[in-house]
Formats: sequence, C-alpha cells, structure tokens
Amino acid sequence: AQSVTQLGSHVSVSEGALVLLRCNYSSSVPPYLFWYVQYPNQGLQLLLKYTSAATLVKGINGFEAEFKKSETSFHLTKPSAHMSDAAEYFCAVSSNNDMRFGAGTRLTVKP
Amino acid sequence: DAGITQSPRHKVTETGTPVTLRCHQTENHRYMYWYRQDPGHGLRLIHYSYGVKDTDKGEVSDGYSVSRSKTEDFLLTLESATSSQTSVYFCAISVVAGVSYEQYFGPGTRLTVT
Repeated sequence: AQSVTQLGSHVSVSEGALVLLRCNYSSSVPPYLFWYVQYPNQGLQLLLKYTSAATLVKGINGFEAEFKKSETSFHLTKPSAHMSDAAEYFCAVSSNNDMRFGAGTRLTVKP
Repeated sequence: DAGITQSPRHKVTETGTPVTLRCHQTENHRYMYWYRQDPGHGLRLIHYSYGVKDTDKGEVSDGYSVSRSKTEDFLLTLESATSSQTSVYFCAISVVAGVSYEQYFGPGTRLTVT
C-alpha cells in the first residue's frame, strides 16, 4: 500500500524566509507524487507533480520540490515566502488512479 | 478550472436524516471521486466511479452510498446521517496528463450533522 507522511502539521515562517514543507512517501512501485495547496474555504489546487521525468520539479507560485529516492522524500520549497502563501499544503502519492493524501501542513507567514 | 460544481455548498442536518450531495462536471471525465476532509486526516477517499453505473468503495465507505446514472453527475448519499459524518466533502475528477493522472477538485460541501 502507498502512503505519505507530512512532517509538521504547522509551519510558521517570516515573510521573505525560506519555506520548507516535508513529505516522505511509501510505495511499492515507482510513485507519482503531488503537492496541492488549499486556501481557506476552497478546494485543492495542484501545485506541482513528479512523474519520473526530472527529480527537481517546478510548480506554480515559485514553489519547487525535489524527488529523492534514497530518502523516499518529496519536500516542497520556496526561496522567499510571501503573505499570499499562507494556506494548507497536502502531499499525495498516486498509482493507477488511486491517490493517497498526507494529513496536511498549515503554513503561516508572519509579516 | 475543471468545471466541477458541488451542491449544496453548506448543509446542516439532524442525526438520522438522509442527505444527498451532488457533484457535477462539464467535461465528460470518466473517473470521479468523493473525499472527506477532517483535521489531522487530510483527504480520505469515500467512493469513486470509473464510469456510468460503475462505482467502488474507498477507505472510509461505511455509512455512504453513491450513484452515477449520467457521466456528468456523481451523487453521494448518507442514508442516515451521524455526527461523525460532520465534515467537508470534496468531489474530484481525474484527468490524464502525460504519463500520469491529475485530480482536480470541486469547491467542497460543508456538512454539519447535529
């Protein structure tokens, strides 16, 4: 069975600081990995995905994630946080149309 | 925008009453999903559909049923609502994108069972 674990249910950074949201996965087959963002009272929006084409994946809004097979990780980063990045972020793993989500990390950005 | 709407967007109901939530898509996607979102659990799959009249259970299907009589509509029914079913419910569709699938989500329905 596949699963993801997000380390840290809440992360707080200052505006302009590095954002690092951690995700580790477990999968018996080569995984497809995703990061989604959810703004208050909205559905989930796809930020980026990994499909084995490149280990460093760039997404929308300046976010990127690096797939590290040796560490079974797919951490999400952004060099400089903006107030508008405050949201909840979900890591997900998928195979054969079956997608499993992590518990989510709420990002707070302080002015 | 994947053309997904959910209705109602908010509902308050009493324990023991039946409730039906509707998901509507405009782009004829084959796969549709119902998830519930609860704090500390992320999104958990309730049921999914892979075509008209073709559905299957997810990891938290107890107490829920679904129907899909048309490609564009996927209904989630709580036969007898319980307080544990208070949650935010999301519908999603799956789209082929390159070598993988991507899921796109509706705006959600907030259900409160009193």
